[in-house]
Amino acid sequence: GNSVTQMEGPVTLSEEAFLTINCTYTATGYPSLFWYVQYPGEGLQLLLKATKADDKGSNKGFEATYRKETTSFHLEKGSVQVSDSAVYFCALGDTGNQFYFGTGTSLTVIP
Amino acid sequence: GAGVSQSPSNKVTEKGKDVELRCDPISGHTALYWYRQSLGQGLEFLIYFQGNSAPDKSGLPSDRFSAERTGGSVSTLTIQRTQQEDSAVYLCASSPGFYNSPLHFGNGTRLTVT
Repeated sequence: GNSVTQMEGPVTLSEEAFLTINCTYTATGYPSLFWYVQYPGEGLQLLLKATKADDKGSNKGFEATYRKETTSFHLEKGSVQVSDSAVYFCALGDTGNQFYFGTGTSLTVIP
Repeated sequence: GAGVSQSPSNKVTEKGKDVELRCDPISGHTALYWYRQSLGQGLEFLIYFQGNSAPDKSGLPSDRFSAERTGGSVSTLTIQRTQQEDSAVYLCASSPGFYNSPLHFGNGTRLTVT
């Protein structure tokens, strides 16, 4: 079946450090891939998405590339800010409108 | 435009009472999802609606949980005879229902069972 495996947290970084959060998936067919961000006390917000192999999603300095050969969709940001502190979820959407979420990675950025 | 709206935002109830949680999806979104998020945990899928029908109820934890959707719009998640383990944040999400379309989440209802 379909599933998403996400890097365990929590992750603590200093401001301006490089961020990578690993995400790999298992899927049949041609899923879409998403990263969501959840700030404290809020619901999940779509951060970026990619709908086919080799697509790169990007938003707010974050990037992730849909790698079919390695079944991965790692999230990266070159220079994190304190305001990026949140929980990040990798997700997969299949052709049947079902969604599968990773367990979430908590990021804390310290000044 | 308006996002997904959930009410109440917080609910405290006594063990054994019934609760109803409401979700107003984005207008025109045909697909609606309920998830549960326990403290420090990921998302647990509960149920999915396409229009008014629920093709996938596999995530409902027990027969104390039920959900309905009327008019292809508002959905209500009902928990009967609440237990302390039901305490969590209940998240609703909607989508246009097209392939590749992302989910849009509400801010959730925080349920506390005392």
